[in-house]
Amino acid sequence: GQQVMQIPQYQHVQEGEDFTTYCNSSTTLSNIQWYKQRPGGHPVFLIQLVKSGEVKKQKRLTFQFGEAKKNSSLHITATQTTDVGTYFCAASFQGAQKLVFGQGTRLTINP
Amino acid sequence: DTGVSQDPRHKITKRGQNVTFRCDPISEHNRLYWYRQTLGQGPEFLTYFQNEAQLEKSRLLSDRFSAERPKGSFSTLEIQRTEQGDSAMYLCASSFWTSGSGEQFFGPGTRLTVL
Repeated sequence: GQQVMQIPQYQHVQEGEDFTTYCNSSTTLSNIQWYKQRPGGHPVFLIQLVKSGEVKKQKRLTFQFGEAKKNSSLHITATQTTDVGTYFCAASFQGAQKLVFGQGTRLTINP
Repeated sequence: DTGVSQDPRHKITKRGQNVTFRCDPISEHNRLYWYRQTLGQGPEFLTYFQNEAQLEKSRLLSDRFSAERPKGSFSTLEIQRTEQGDSAMYLCASSFWTSGSGEQFFGPGTRLTVL
């Protein structure tokens, strides 16, 4: 079926350490989006990746889309306490318009 | 505030009762989505509208669930004969969809508790 697996489920880091979350699909994706959800909040859009091998950066955040368009990653350099939250990938499969969300990676940070 | 709004924010009901939630999207957005989110999980797609047309409905969605967007603006999600398993956060999102564009703006959600 159309699903995306996201790992790890949890990640605890010291402030200043890097963080990476991965999203994988067994089938080719049309595009992938990343969202952040703060505790008690709602998902907030971060970015959309469409092209094979695409890399986009937002300050300390780097997003990658695999060459085969089956996987993606989000990397945060030098985490800060404001980075706390759950990061979700959300995939669009070819021929479908809906988003399929991963289970999310919950990031906690020790200041 | 011109973001997505949802009403009510919280709803407690007894098993077997019907509930209705409302979503007001960002005014110029042509697509509206409903999701359900349980603790520790990602949002699960329920259905979406383009203008007033309901274009897709999740196969996992029971026939107790129905959604409408009568004038292509606000939307309602009704759950009939609620069950304890319906307890979740119900999220609405909207987007201005054009080819290749997909950013969705989420509302604060309606938290449903079925006793």
